[in-house]
Amino acid sequence: AQTVTQSQPEMSVQEAETVTLSCTYDTSESDYYLFWYKQPPSRQMILVIRQEAYKQQNATENRFSVNFQKAAKSFSLKISDSQLGDAAMYFCAYRVNAGGTSYGKLTFGQGTILTVHP
Amino acid sequence: DTEVTQTPKHLVMGMTNKKSLKCEQHMGHRAMYWYKQKAKKPPELMFVYSYEKLSINESVPSRFSPECPNSSLLNLHLHALQPEDSALYLCASSPIHDNPNYGYTFGSGTRLTVV
Repeated sequence: AQTVTQSQPEMSVQEAETVTLSCTYDTSESDYYLFWYKQPPSRQMILVIRQEAYKQQNATENRFSVNFQKAAKSFSLKISDSQLGDAAMYFCAYRVNAGGTSYGKLTFGQGTILTVHP
Repeated sequence: DTEVTQTPKHLVMGMTNKKSLKCEQHMGHRAMYWYKQKAKKPPELMFVYSYEKLSINESVPSRFSPECPNSSLLNLHLHALQPEDSALYLCASSPIHDNPNYGYTFGSGTRLTVV
């Protein structure tokens, strides 16, 4: 069974600084997707960034980037120039690529609560 | 329209009541999901529909009954719930086939309280 582990229940960062959230996963599959989702107090899960396992290049989206280490099964999220609006619960998630389909079960980590101090 | 809309936003129901949660999307996604989320915990998958047919049921108790009447609409019928069923219920949708937009789109959820 696939598992996703986020070892940091809470993190904090000063506004404009950089913070890294950790995620490790366990799978026997070779083709899968990894995601970071953000859930602010408004409750809606928002996709932050995604990574295809077969791509060696780390994904980036503006101030958000990942460090994907496939052999180590590690997928950390770096937030640069942190803003007050980045405060939220962040979930790492995994989904196997099943026969080229784009749907299926997302397995989430336990989440990391990020606090941004002004 | 790039949203998943869930109604109601809040629901309080007694253990003998029957109620329904509604989820709607107009993005042409043919996969739709129900997740249950307890406070400060990750979402837990309940059901997956693909092409309006139930494809995954994560051993959910029968007091939760999903329904997908058409490709845009997903319902969750609730009956004889227990207080421990109180949670945030999230709906999500995604394309079926490989697509550059691999992520799911989530709704804002229904906060359910069972009294």
